[in-house]
Amino acid sequence: AQSVTQLGSHVSVSEGALVLLRCNYSSSVPPYLFWYVQYPNQGLQLLLKYTSAATLVKGINGFEAEFKKSETSFHLTKPSAHMSDAAEYFCAVSDNSGNTPLVFGKGTRLSVIA
Amino acid sequence: DSGVTQTPKHLITATGQRVTLRCSPRSGDLSVYWYQQSLDQGLQFLIQYYNGEERAKGNILERFSAQQFPDLHSELNLSSLELGDSALYFCASSLVDGRALDTQYFGPGTRLTVL
Repeated sequence: AQSVTQLGSHVSVSEGALVLLRCNYSSSVPPYLFWYVQYPNQGLQLLLKYTSAATLVKGINGFEAEFKKSETSFHLTKPSAHMSDAAEYFCAVSDNSGNTPLVFGKGTRLSVIA
Repeated sequence: DSGVTQTPKHLITATGQRVTLRCSPRSGDLSVYWYQQSLDQGLQFLIQYYNGEERAKGNILERFSAQQFPDLHSELNLSSLELGDSALYFCASSLVDGRALDTQYFGPGTRLTVL
C-alpha cells in the first residue's frame, strides 16, 4: 500500500524567501506523485504531478518538485514566496497502474510573512 | 472555478439524522470521487463512480452510500449521523476512469456539522 508523509504541519517563510515543503513516499511499486494546493474555503487544485517521465516536474504558479527515488522523496519548492502562496499543500501518491485512488498526506500549512 | 459544483455549502444537523450531499461534475467528466476531510483523519478517499458504476471504494462507512445518476451527477448519502461525521466533504471529477494521468478537479466542498 502506498502512503506519503509530509514533514512539518506548518511552515512559515518570509516573502521572497525559498519555499520548501517536504514529502516522502512509501510504495512497493513505482508511484505517481502529486502536489495539490488548497486555498482557504476552496477545494483542492493540482499544482503538479510526476508520472515517471522527467524527474524534475514544473507546475503552476512557479512551483516545481523533484522525484528522488534514492531518497523516496518528492519535495515541493518555489524560489521566491509570494503572499498569495499562503495555503494548505497536500502531497499524494497513486500507483502507476491507474487502479488505485489517490492517498493524501496530512497537509502542510504554508504561511508567508511580509 | 474548477467547474465542479457541490450543494449545499453548509449543512447543520443532529445526531441520528440522514443527509444527502450533491455533486455535479465538470461537463464531459465521467468519473466522480468523494473525499472526507477532517482535522484528525486528514483527507480520505471514500468512493469513486465511473459512468454510473462503482469503480473504487476507500474508507467509506457502511452508514454512507453513494450513487451516480444517468446525467452523471452524484449523491453521497450519510445516515445515522454521529458527531465524528462532522467534516468537509469534497467531490472531484475527472474525464475518464481515474487513471493517475487523469487530473481530478475538486469542488468547493460541503461542510457538515453534526450537533
